[in-house]
Amino acid sequence: DAGITQSPRYKITETGRQVTLMCHQTWSHSYMFWYRQDLGHGLRLIYYSAAADITDKGEVPDGYVVSRSKTENFPLTLESATRSQTSVYFCASSESIGGRPEAFFGQGTRLTVV
Amino acid sequence: AQSVAQPEDQVNVAEGNPLTVKCTYSVSGNPYLFWYVQYPNRGLQFLLKYITGDNLVKGSYGFEAEFNKSQTSFHLKKPSALVSDSALYFCAVLNAGNNRKLIWGLGTSLAVNP
Repeated sequence: DAGITQSPRYKITETGRQVTLMCHQTWSHSYMFWYRQDLGHGLRLIYYSAAADITDKGEVPDGYVVSRSKTENFPLTLESATRSQTSVYFCASSESIGGRPEAFFGQGTRLTVV
Repeated sequence: AQSVAQPEDQVNVAEGNPLTVKCTYSVSGNPYLFWYVQYPNRGLQFLLKYITGDNLVKGSYGFEAEFNKSQTSFHLKKPSALVSDSALYFCAVLNAGNNRKLIWGLGTSLAVNP
């Protein structure tokens, strides 16, 4: 189906483990984003990507790694999970400048670090 | 610095009454403005946007928003609220020269009472 999908929807992991959250979009949007949503903080940008092999840091990149070898995929890796990374993570995509500027979101991944 | 403010954490309105969710912004240049809605345990859904043109923008589910450049506001409105409109609403602004990164408000929780 067309759209943007995240996996897994729910994940429980232990402190210190590496975990990867997946994001896949079928629109061939140039831009992709990773946000975390926490009560009282709204949405905070972790990393974004303007195109394949082009990534850049957002507001809260520490402890996270991204890659974008293909336009449609934008995985987010927590190298060594900490309890402070317990959050809901959203992936989003949007067209490049000149197209529609609105972002489209996945359903989210609820990550719990114990 | 660019910013978005949603001055109300929560808005309560009776079903059938008009609703307004407030948003003010601060950006350099011409703003692209957006409203998104988030239902429980779901991702954000795009409602409407202002890019240019008519200051009154119509969007999904009967929502509309009024762009006011002098007051730097972009309030979300609906003439007659439904219980099903109860959700979290986010305002966002994009500076067209800012790599498609959205600046988000902290969200307003709308409760429509039967």
